[in-house]
Amino acid sequence: GENVEQHPSTLSVQEGDSAVIKCTYSDSASNYFPWYKQELGKGPQLIIDIRSNVGEKKDQRIAVTLNKTAKHFSLHITETQPEDSAVYFCAASIPGYALNFGKGTSLLVTP
Amino acid sequence: DTGVSQDPRHKITKRGQNVTFRCDPISEHNRLYWYRQTLGQGPEFLTYFQNEAQLEKSRLLSDRFSAERPKGSFSTLEIQRTEQGDSAMYLCASSLLRQGDTGELFFGEGSRLTVL
Repeated sequence: GENVEQHPSTLSVQEGDSAVIKCTYSDSASNYFPWYKQELGKGPQLIIDIRSNVGEKKDQRIAVTLNKTAKHFSLHITETQPEDSAVYFCAASIPGYALNFGKGTSLLVTP
Repeated sequence: DTGVSQDPRHKITKRGQNVTFRCDPISEHNRLYWYRQTLGQGPEFLTYFQNEAQLEKSRLLSDRFSAERPKGSFSTLEIQRTEQGDSAMYLCASSLLRQGDTGELFFGEGSRLTVL
């Protein structure tokens, strides 16, 4: 099955700086790559996703890039704010199959 | 509230007891997923349903675990003869499958199981 690796496991940045989280996947048939944010005591919530026919997608301060050849994708958060502090998960899926998640990155944004 | 709801939110049980969790998905969603999450880890896939059919089960899902989705609406996840290793957060999610493609998963807030 699909194996998703995520780095780093923890990330601390100062408010206003950028944060980058990277993921790799193993199955070249994967075509859907979402990112989820999980706050304490809550379920994960989708923040952005990208499909394999697109190399980059941006939504305000959040962007995701995909390199299908290298089988890796990244989340970029610019102008970080304290409310961005949470655990972020990348995931990948083969068409019609369930999502496989990475182990998560705990992001701390300090004022 | 029209999101995914899970019940109970917390369950403490003794080893060897059976427990059952319920998930009510978003009403128009045809897919329902169960994931398990332990501290410091990402959600691990357990099983999913499309309408009432259980389409995929992870090898993580031992014989002690059973899930149902009668009538394609709510789902239950039962764990028999619980073990301490079953302690985790059990997350339910639902999605609307379109054109064979994985859509956005909407997660509930989870059911936390503690096995003593």
